[in-house]
Amino acid sequence: DTGVSQNPRHKITKRGQNVTFRCDPISEHNRLYWYRQTLGQGPEFLTYFQNEAQLEKSRLLSDRFSAERPKGSFSTLEIQRTEQGDSAMYLCASSLWDPREGNTIYFGEGSWLTVV
Amino acid sequence: AQTVTQSQPEMSVQEAETVTLSCTYDTSESNYYLFWYKQPPSRQMILVIRQEAYKQQNATENRFSVNFQKAAKSFSLKISDSQLGDTAMYFCAFMKRNTGGFKTIFGAGTRLFVKA
Repeated sequence: DTGVSQNPRHKITKRGQNVTFRCDPISEHNRLYWYRQTLGQGPEFLTYFQNEAQLEKSRLLSDRFSAERPKGSFSTLEIQRTEQGDSAMYLCASSLWDPREGNTIYFGEGSWLTVV
Repeated sequence: AQTVTQSQPEMSVQEAETVTLSCTYDTSESNYYLFWYKQPPSRQMILVIRQEAYKQQNATENRFSVNFQKAAKSFSLKISDSQLGDTAMYFCAFMKRNTGGFKTIFGAGTRLFVKA
């Protein structure tokens, strides 16, 4: 297993366009997370899936954002009608919750979005 | 709500010397995890070390160790024998330990420069 995989790694788009990012988690992990990170800041939680169910969404995730994990494996994050303020790195992470070991998340390399 | 504070935006250390990065957190939970993540210039977040709050013994991983002071809500990272490859952003993070624990809260980060 090569870890959490994200693509595309970089995306430049014009304001108003839609973009979609894909995340493939570590195969045995049942939890998948999306975070957003801007320069000089720590990651901010956006949303979380346990298997295919989206269990929590941050209020940072406006109506223009939608995330899916249709079969409990890979996930997509779509941003509609992009705005310049959406420019950031979008990080995907996954974890396997274990009642004894708990929950440590592992990150992908991130997808950089630049809205021009 | 939980918060994580890293009061040192930037630090530098000479190669082979020891450096300590500070982190404080605020929570009313008694059972939780604390993490230090490293984000090198290539940008992928890598787990450095993990501490479970119910364990009194401080976690260690090779040259990395923590000083966990639960009553003071302090969780510092010590890097011994610093190497050039340790140059990175370091993020302290908090996660509740329960079946619903999913949201990892990150501090703003400390940028560490290791000088030759």
